[in-house]
Amino acid sequence: QVQLQQSGAELAKPGSSVKISCKASGYTFTSYYISWIKQTTGQGLEYIGYINTGSGGTNYNEKFKGKATLTVDKSSSTAFMQLSSLTPDDSAVYYCARDYPGITRFAYWGQGTLVTVSS
Amino acid sequence: DIVMTQAPLSVSVTPGESASISCRSSKSLLHSNGITYVYWYLQKPGKSPQLLIYRMSNLASGVPDRFSGSGSETDFTLKISRVEAEDVGIYYCGQLLENPLTFGSGTKLEIK
Repeated sequence: QVQLQQSGAELAKPGSSVKISCKASGYTFTSYYISWIKQTTGQGLEYIGYINTGSGGTNYNEKFKGKATLTVDKSSSTAFMQLSSLTPDDSAVYYCARDYPGITRFAYWGQGTLVTVSS
Repeated sequence: DIVMTQAPLSVSVTPGESASISCRSSKSLLHSNGITYVYWYLQKPGKSPQLLIYRMSNLASGVPDRFSGSGSETDFTLKISRVEAEDVGIYYCGQLLENPLTFGSGTKLEIK
């Protein structure tokens, strides 16, 4: 069955970076894009962007350009998101989700990774 | 960005009764291909969101047919018939028509 397994919670200091992983299984990894979504209590769900897992091409929400960097490692069927120059506003749960192609976008989600930014 | 506005903020329902959740978009979500790109997701307590409805009115795999979606170009409704205890959680509408994808702020469904 399709599964997206994310890495564990992160505690980071302001100004630092974190890299979250999302390991896919149960399907051909390069056949679907992976999207990333941020969830906070105050802002709800915010779309960060997607990565074409076959070509490595990316598309970002303008708001997250310079903040998030999406990459993939096809050999391990894993997508990554690096968050840089962290501030307390980056504290959130981050989800990966399976995306294009197909009409049932975000039918599969990872379990979420909590990132806490605090000094 | 397209703004998605949900109402109500929360709803309390007696098991067996129906519930409706509204969602309005600031721009038409009807594409020239005839498809309306509104999706509905449910986030159960402590879980990741799950897809309920895609392209306004299509039931996702494994979702009970008690759930249904309808609407126009900018006004959408998720209806839950015969609400059950397992339906508790936060319901989100989302527009997947154009980037950046955007979501409503959520409607919390509780059981009386």
